[in-house]
Amino acid sequence: DSGVTQTPKHLITATGQRVTLRCSPRSGDLSVYWYQQSLDQGLQFLIQYYNGEERAKGNILERFSAQQFPDLHSELNLSSLELGDSALYFCASSTRQGSNSPLHFGNGTRLTVT
Amino acid sequence: DQQVKQNSPSLSVQEGRISILNCDYTNSMFDYFLWYKKYPAEGPTFLISISSIKDKNEDGRFTVFLNKSAKHLSLHIVPSQPGDSAVYFCAAGEGSRAAGNKLTFGGGTRVLVKP
Repeated sequence: DSGVTQTPKHLITATGQRVTLRCSPRSGDLSVYWYQQSLDQGLQFLIQYYNGEERAKGNILERFSAQQFPDLHSELNLSSLELGDSALYFCASSTRQGSNSPLHFGNGTRLTVT
Repeated sequence: DQQVKQNSPSLSVQEGRISILNCDYTNSMFDYFLWYKKYPAEGPTFLISISSIKDKNEDGRFTVFLNKSAKHLSLHIVPSQPGDSAVYFCAAGEGSRAAGNKLTFGGGTRVLVKP
């Protein structure tokens, strides 16, 4: 158990809809990261937050947004969903930013867009 | 543009033998490297890491080797056990504050250890 909690585990929705994925980091971790894993591909970095502020951005679509709240949990919002957005979405957390601390991953949310 | 590549999508090895997983990178700004292991329906789990100032790091049955001039790293698992059957991801990061702590992942290598 990594200590990172993601909800829901599975999500099935239709094209054009909007969903929110939630992540609670490990206790004491200030950094939260979101990654997307499409079928049989590696993990693609989406965005990082550190203590409530956006810290780094990857190839995140404009239809996607995220935030980190004062209690350090984070939400990833996906809107105007397309079939190609079907993927596993992982959240990870780490203690520090800009350092070599490993990321600890949750078990992911599997999003299916039909 | 894949900055981190794992060219072998799968690997099959006999129990007790050595598993060697390879990873190549192109970004010379990467200065630390990690291996993650992933079982189905679970998130990736950190396995071992290495800083660019080293060329080898060992942790039990797992050893990571780094060849900076070749921009290549490898993970050795000795001896391989059936429980090692999983997908292994190579990841790289820039340890600068500006880069945050994001990691760039390879596509993964599926390892099957046969009893």
